[in-house]
Amino acid sequence: EDQVTQSPEALRLQEGESSSLNCSYTVSGLRGLFWYRQDPGKGPEFLFTLYSAGEEKEKERLKATLTKKESFLHITAPKPEDSATYLCAASTGTASKLTFGTGTRLQVTL
Amino acid sequence: DTGVSQDPRHKITKRGQNVTFRCDPISEHNRLYWYRQTLGQGPEFLTYFQNEAQLEKSRLLSDRFSAERPKGSFSTLEIQRTEQGDSAMYLCASSLIGAQGGYTFGSGTRLTVV
Repeated sequence: EDQVTQSPEALRLQEGESSSLNCSYTVSGLRGLFWYRQDPGKGPEFLFTLYSAGEEKEKERLKATLTKKESFLHITAPKPEDSATYLCAASTGTASKLTFGTGTRLQVTL
Repeated sequence: DTGVSQDPRHKITKRGQNVTFRCDPISEHNRLYWYRQTLGQGPEFLTYFQNEAQLEKSRLLSDRFSAERPKGSFSTLEIQRTEQGDSAMYLCASSLIGAQGGYTFGSGTRLTVV
């Protein structure tokens, strides 16, 4: 059975304090690894897709990387507006359906 | 296009009642997905359509759940004889074939069964 595990469950950072979120996956036939941001009461918002080990993508203060077994979301000098739940998901099969992890709740304080 | 729309945003229903949710995807997207999310968990796949054909259903989708996508446009998700365990956020997403998970999600319908 496909599994995606995220750590830590929750992370509290001060503004400007860089850190990384981890996503490890055990799936058969990975088609892509995805990162989403979710604000309370809203649907997930797409951030990145990574397709192969060694690939990296960046957007503002976020950088996602992928190895054969895990992915990292690096947050550099975070701001309070980066506070959200970050979800990782693996896409498998012809349907490209997503298997999500439980997310990391990030809180960035002043 | 304003993205994926879901209606209603919130629904409170008594146990045993039937409920129906609607999703309007991005108009040019031919794939439509339904996910369910409970508090503190990631979304779980329920079912997906390619155009009007329902191609896959999760084993999470009991016989009380049915989904349709007439004419390959909007979709409805109906839950019959609701139970308290059905309380969750129901999310709809759409994409183009081959969009590799670059789904656009709606804001969801929050169902509370009392």
